Amino acid sequence: EVQLVESGGGVIHPGGSLRLSCSPSGVNVRSNYMTWVRQAPGKGLEWVSVIEPTGRAFYSDSVKGRFTISRDNSKNSLNLQMTSLRVEDTAVYYCARGPAAGRKFDYWGQGTLVIVSS
Amino acid sequence: DIQMTQSPSSLSASVGDSVTITCRASQNINTFLNWYRQQPGKAPKLLIYAASSLETGVPSRFRGRGFGTDFTLTINSLQPEDFATYYCQQGDSPPYTFGQGTRLEIK
Repeated sequence: EVQLVESGGGVIHPGGSLRLSCSPSGVNVRSNYMTWVRQAPGKGLEWVSVIEPTGRAFYSDSVKGRFTISRDNSKNSLNLQMTSLRVEDTAVYYCARGPAAGRKFDYWGQGTLVIVSS
Repeated sequence: DIQMTQSPSSLSASVGDSVTITCRASQNINTFLNWYRQQPGKAPKLLIYAASSLETGVPSRFRGRGFGTDFTLTINSLQPEDFATYYCQQGDSPPYTFGQGTRLEIK
């Protein structure tokens, strides 16, 4: 059974940094496209970043230059390094596999909550 | 960037009804369109991918159609667990944008 588990969320002051991790079982992060999606409280889903098997990464305009997606092949984990955090980065952050075959995002974690507040 | 627009933003229906949600892309995305259902406090669940392909384990009352820029999700014979929020997402190119969501409520 595939399971994705995020960790690293918490409360952080504006301007601070935080590192999120996603540990998938049943999914090899090195050979799959892996994505971060976030959802601010009471709001819709917002795509954040993707890392391709080649290592190429893409970001939404709202996080470009502040967030860095990476993977640790030895630990089979996906990471999101977040710096210069803003109040508007407050959200539940989900990791997901995708785009997979058919351009779908089929496996999702349960999410980890990041609160940016002074 | 590709913009995704869903309509309506909310609708109400009864158990057993059928409903249709529409999603429009700002440019041609072929059939690279996914639909998700999100229940409160839970992660999104993939229902439909490639515009019309039913994800494994998803009931056949969910049907997706469309190509290019216009897509629909139809849910037949609504069940209690279907009262949730639905999102479309384009899988054509990054950023893999979502629609703003459609909240389906019990009438």
